[in-house]
Amino acid sequence: GAGVSQSPSNKVTEKGKDVELRCDPISGHTALYWYRQSLGQGLEFLIYFQGNSAPDKSGLPSDRFSAERTGGSVSTLTIQRTQQEDSAVYLCASSWAFGQEETQYFGPGTRLLVL
Amino acid sequence: AQSVTQLGSHVSVSEGALVLLRCNYSSSVPPYLFWYVQYPNQGLQLLLKYTSAATLVKGINGFEAEFKKSETSFHLTKPSAHMSDAAEYFCAVNHSSNTGKLIFGQGTTLQVKP
Repeated sequence: GAGVSQSPSNKVTEKGKDVELRCDPISGHTALYWYRQSLGQGLEFLIYFQGNSAPDKSGLPSDRFSAERTGGSVSTLTIQRTQQEDSAVYLCASSWAFGQEETQYFGPGTRLLVL
Repeated sequence: AQSVTQLGSHVSVSEGALVLLRCNYSSSVPPYLFWYVQYPNQGLQLLLKYTSAATLVKGINGFEAEFKKSETSFHLTKPSAHMSDAAEYFCAVNHSSNTGKLIFGQGTTLQVKP
C-alpha cells in the first residue's frame, strides 16, 4: 500500500518568506507526527496529532511554526517569516494508533533551504 | 528526562564482518526502544523495536538488538555486513507513557568496505 507522502520534496525560499509543507499519512492512521532533521540538532520532535484531541505542540521551536490537520488526514506545517536556521529536512510520520509501542512510518521528507 | 546516546557517529566495517552499533538510554520508566535506518535521501525505516515482550529482538535485514536493563543498553548487531547496509542508523526511545513522540540519538553512519 501507499506510504506516507510529503510535498514538496525540495523547497528553496528566501529569508522572510512563508512556506507550507504538506504531509499525507497512511490511510487509516490516526496519529501524525512532524520531526525536523538538521545537521546541528539531529532529529527533533515538533508536533503530533492524535484523532480529535488537541495537538501536542511542545516541540515547536518558535511561534513562527504552526501545523494543522484537516479532516483527520492531511497535515500542513507552516513556517512564517523563515530564517536561515530553519533550513532542515522536515519529516512526517504516522501510526495506526497512539501509544508508546506504536511503530511510526516516516515519509521521505521535505528538504527546506532558506537563503 | 529521557535521552538516547549513540556511541560513535561513524562506524566502518568490512563486508562480511560483524556490525555493532551502540545505543544507551536513560529513562525513569520502562522504555520502548526503536532502531531506524535511513538510506540517502529517504525517510526512516523501522528495523526493530523493543516493547518488553522479549529482550532479544529480531528485525529486518538480519539485524537484531538485545535489551539489557542492567546496562541501559539496546545495541544493534548483524553477524555479517553487506554493502547494502551502508546507511545512517538511529536509536530512539519513546518520550513518555502519555505521548508517542520519539527522542532520537544523534545517529551512526555505517560504512561497509568491500
